[in-house]
This record gives sequence, structure tokens and C-alpha cells, in this order.
Amino acid sequence: AQKVTQAQTEISVVEKEDVTLDCVYETRDTTYYLFWYKQPPSGELVFLIRRNSFDEQNEISGRYSWNFQKSTSSFNFTITASQVVDSAVYFCALSGEGGGADGLTFGKGTHLIIQP
Amino acid sequence: GAGVSQSPSNKVTEKGKDVELRCDPISGHTALYWYRQSLGQGLEFLIYFQGNSAPDKSGLPSDRFSAERTGGSVSTLTIQRTQQEDSAVYLCASSPWATTNEKLFFGSGTQLSVL
Repeated sequence: AQKVTQAQTEISVVEKEDVTLDCVYETRDTTYYLFWYKQPPSGELVFLIRRNSFDEQNEISGRYSWNFQKSTSSFNFTITASQVVDSAVYFCALSGEGGGADGLTFGKGTHLIIQP
Repeated sequence: GAGVSQSPSNKVTEKGKDVELRCDPISGHTALYWYRQSLGQGLEFLIYFQGNSAPDKSGLPSDRFSAERTGGSVSTLTIQRTQQEDSAVYLCASSPWATTNEKLFFGSGTQLSVL
């Protein structure tokens, strides 16, 4: 069975601080995909990034960066110089070899609060 | 609109009543998913439709839940004889791809409250 653990239920930082959201996953599949989604107060989940299991290169997109380490089964997300607009619930998710019928396995989310 | 549309946005019902939740996917998206989001359980996968194919219903939490998709487009999730534990946000997502290996496009959800 697949599992995604986001141990941090809530993080509160002051604007402009850097913050890292942790994600640890479990899967027996050789090929799998990892995702991060953002859920603002409006409710809809917004896709941020996808990474496949064969690509361990870290990725940077503006103030966002992701660190994928297969050795520790982790896919952590860092926001640099956080802003109030970054306040949201962030979900890490995993897709295995089963395709659409298995759905995505989500972590329980980290509620990020950026205080002005 | 350009995004996934769900209706109603909020639904309050009495225990024992039936409810229908609707999802309009993005035009041309063949894959459609239903998820349930609750405080205790996080995001649970319920069911997946690919085009007009019959879905795998094994993810539905009980036989009170059913879902259909007409013409490979609009989907309805029906909950019969609602219980208080059904209270949650029901999220719909669509995708132009046949697998969950690509990103999903989510609606804003239906907040269901069972009194």
C-alpha cells in the first residue's frame, strides 16, 4: 500500500522567512510520481510540481524549490522569502504504477500561515 | 468557465436524506475523479471515470454512495440516506490524460453538512 506522511500539521512563520514543508512517502512501485498541490482558502487544489522517481534533480521555480531524495523517501518543499499570499494548505501526493484507477494518495496536508 | 465547476458549493441536509453533487469537468477532459476531504481522514480517493468506461467503484466508502457520468462529461455523486459521518468537502478533478501521473485540475468542492 502507498502512504504519504506530512508530519507538520501547521507551520506559522513571519513574512520573508524561509520555510520547508516535509513529505515522506512509502511505495513498492519502481516507477512513481510525486506531486505538491496548494489549497488556498477558495478550496480548489492547485498543481505546483510533478516529479518522477527516476529524476532526482532538485527543481527551483522562483521562490519555490523542491528537494527529492530517494534514499530517504522524501520530497520536501521550500519557500524562500515567504509572503502572505503563500498562506494555504499544502498537500504532497503520490501516484504509482496503477494509473488513474488507483487515484492519487495524498498526505494530510500542512497548513502554512505567513504572518505579516 | 474554463475550470472544473461543482454544484452546489454548499449543501446542508438532514440525516437520512439523499443528496446529489454535480461536477462539470473541463471541456475535453476524459478523466474525472471524485475525492472526499474531511478533517480526520484528509483527502480520500472515491472513484475514477475514464471517458465512457464503467468505473471501478471499490473506493466508494459504502453502498450508499454511487456515481455516474453521462456522455463522458458531467458527473453526479449521489449519497443515499446520508449520515453525519458523510459531512465533508467533496472535490472533483478532471484531466486530459488517462493516468494520475499527470496533474489534475480540481474544482472548489461541495461542502456537505449532514445535521
